[in-house]
Amino acid sequence: KAGVTQTPRYLIKTRGQQVTLSCSPISGHRSVSWYQQTPGQGLQFLFEYFSETQRNKGNFPGRFSGRQFSNSRSEMNVSTLELGDSALYLCASSRDSYSGNTIYFGEGSWLTVV
Amino acid sequence: AQTVTQSQPEMSVQEAETVTLSCTYDTSENNYYLFWYKQPPSRQMILVIRQEAYKQQNATENRFSVNFQKAAKSFSLKISDSQLGDTAMYFCAFIATGANSKLTFGKGITLSVRP
Repeated sequence: KAGVTQTPRYLIKTRGQQVTLSCSPISGHRSVSWYQQTPGQGLQFLFEYFSETQRNKGNFPGRFSGRQFSNSRSEMNVSTLELGDSALYLCASSRDSYSGNTIYFGEGSWLTVV
Repeated sequence: AQTVTQSQPEMSVQEAETVTLSCTYDTSENNYYLFWYKQPPSRQMILVIRQEAYKQQNATENRFSVNFQKAAKSFSLKISDSQLGDTAMYFCAFIATGANSKLTFGKGITLSVRP
């Protein structure tokens, strides 16, 4: 059974640009959540989607957005990139995070903003 | 709001020995789950062990076991027979069930296993 797949794994963007990251969850998982990991702030929750609906959102500016498709694949977008957006972005999937199901993570997408 | 505290930033252990990583949490929720995740240098977040709060029995997974003290809101991870491949950052995480649930992580602890 394939794990959580994130693409791209590494990318470099220029300040002011926008970026889209993709996540394919484990087959059968309907919940997809995104986390940002930085040395200073640690792991912070961005948002969670379930059956194409955003159920929960963290404390990030509106430049951070996401969506989920009918096949449960998810994308997150960051517009008008800032240097501080440089981070490891982790996608996680579960059958339903609200029910305490185990949450599995992908390998992450490394974003560097220059 | 929930908080997870890992007060030890770094630990070191000799190969084949046992080490315990500490974690405390604070919540007013009754139904929740606790996890330990391992993040090796590859940065892949790997699930180590999961504990349901309603279960009194401590979870075990091979060399990994937890000491779950619900009243004290403590959730420590014991690694027996430490191996070089256990070298990684370890995160304690909490999630409550129900609406608005999300994983809340501690700051992590860097574990080094010495040969």
